[in-house]
Amino acid sequence: EAGVVQSPRYKIIEKKQPVAFWCNPISGHNTLYWYRQNLGQGPELLIRYENEEAVDDSQLPKDRFSAERLKGVDSTLKIQPAELGDSAVYLCASSLGDSNTDTQYFGPGTRLTVL
Amino acid sequence: AQSVTQLDSHVSVSEGTPVLLRCNYSSSYSPSLFWYVQHPNKGLQLLLKYTSAATLVKGINGFEAEFKKSETSFHLTKPSAHMSDAAEYFCVVSTLTGANNLFFGTGTRLTVIP
Repeated sequence: EAGVVQSPRYKIIEKKQPVAFWCNPISGHNTLYWYRQNLGQGPELLIRYENEEAVDDSQLPKDRFSAERLKGVDSTLKIQPAELGDSAVYLCASSLGDSNTDTQYFGPGTRLTVL
Repeated sequence: AQSVTQLDSHVSVSEGTPVLLRCNYSSSYSPSLFWYVQHPNKGLQLLLKYTSAATLVKGINGFEAEFKKSETSFHLTKPSAHMSDAAEYFCVVSTLTGANNLFFGTGTRLTVIP
């Protein structure tokens, strides 16, 4: 079974440029998460989707970040414009449901460097 | 509020010796607790999870953890370290509110000395 797929794996951009990350969750997983992991820290949740609906986006900086999950499968996370402080690894995860006993499966992440 | 504290940012052990990675949690509700491992350039992988069943939880690769409510701890142990265990380990807490939001600790880097 294929795991969570993310692309690109690495991205280097200059500040003020836009950037987008793509995630394909495990087939059949209704819940999708985007996390940001700063260097030397644990991941922090940005947004959680139940099918197409963003049910928790309280930690998403909405002035520059946006996300979508059209058709309830793939998802895209966008930053526009990027700032130096956005350099981090962006992780996508998915789970069958939203119960706390449902295991979250993580993708390999996209490492973003903003120059 | 939920949080975890990983007491050691870096642990170094010799191959074949026991591993102990310490974690204390804080939760307003009965928590679910997890340990994830992150190898360089690889995704986070679940090692084990506690969800209010048996307090001693066995995971993959010989790891286990014991939930101690009185001590608010969930330490990760392994009897004998292997070189392939070198990685970053995260203690994670979730709540029983139905929202599967994970709160990660800051991580413990495990080094295994040959």
